[in-house]
Amino acid sequence: NAGVMQNPRHLVRRRGQEARLRCSPMKGHSHVYWYRQLPEEGLKFMVYLQKENIIDESGMPKERFSAEFPKEGPSILRIQQVVRGDSAAYFCASSPILAGVNTGELFFGEGSRLTVL
Amino acid sequence: AQSVSQHNHHVILSEAASLELGCNYSYGGTVNLFWYVQYPGQHLQLLLKYFSGDPLVKGIKGFEAEFIKSKFSFNLRKPSVQWSDTAEYFCAVISNQAGTALIFGKGTTLSVSS
Repeated sequence: NAGVMQNPRHLVRRRGQEARLRCSPMKGHSHVYWYRQLPEEGLKFMVYLQKENIIDESGMPKERFSAEFPKEGPSILRIQQVVRGDSAAYFCASSPILAGVNTGELFFGEGSRLTVL
Repeated sequence: AQSVSQHNHHVILSEAASLELGCNYSYGGTVNLFWYVQYPGQHLQLLLKYFSGDPLVKGIKGFEAEFIKSKFSFNLRKPSVQWSDTAEYFCAVISNQAGTALIFGKGTTLSVSS
């Protein structure tokens, strides 16, 4: 499934720098999710957005992390002042909303792997 | 705490062996259930899903899963695994009582030897 596009695929940052991860959903999908994957911890939900609106950010760390999905352009996950513990794979997923219902079915991108030195 | 539990962290099988991966969830209400697979170096792909109806659902590549509501379980099965089934498998649940997002288990790594 190449429909959900994420970039960059790999990103290396030094501690204190900023990381920006981008995600373009599948055509026709207007809802985007961000997940973080750490080894042996599965995927942790971070944030759920639709265009110009954050629907659920209950999984986002309170500091340094933010996400947006503007009217035009991709969704962006921004991590300020990165620390080593931010090293992980960040996956974006999009979903269709069928007849106003969110079924939960997600279509994933290939992920962005952030390494913090 | 509400969660999705996958019982096995790592399963090792020989080709042609049968597979069953356990998944339990603790959410009440109406649930939609999913199994996703992540092949090495690739993104997650949907294996199968359950929304309603027949609790035995069939997915791609010969996989099936059974929803047992009374046990809060959605175990994944395959009668005869192949080397190409080597991957990580994730169970996921969305509940109308547990927020707006799909919640994943920690995953089970399946290694199949030829």
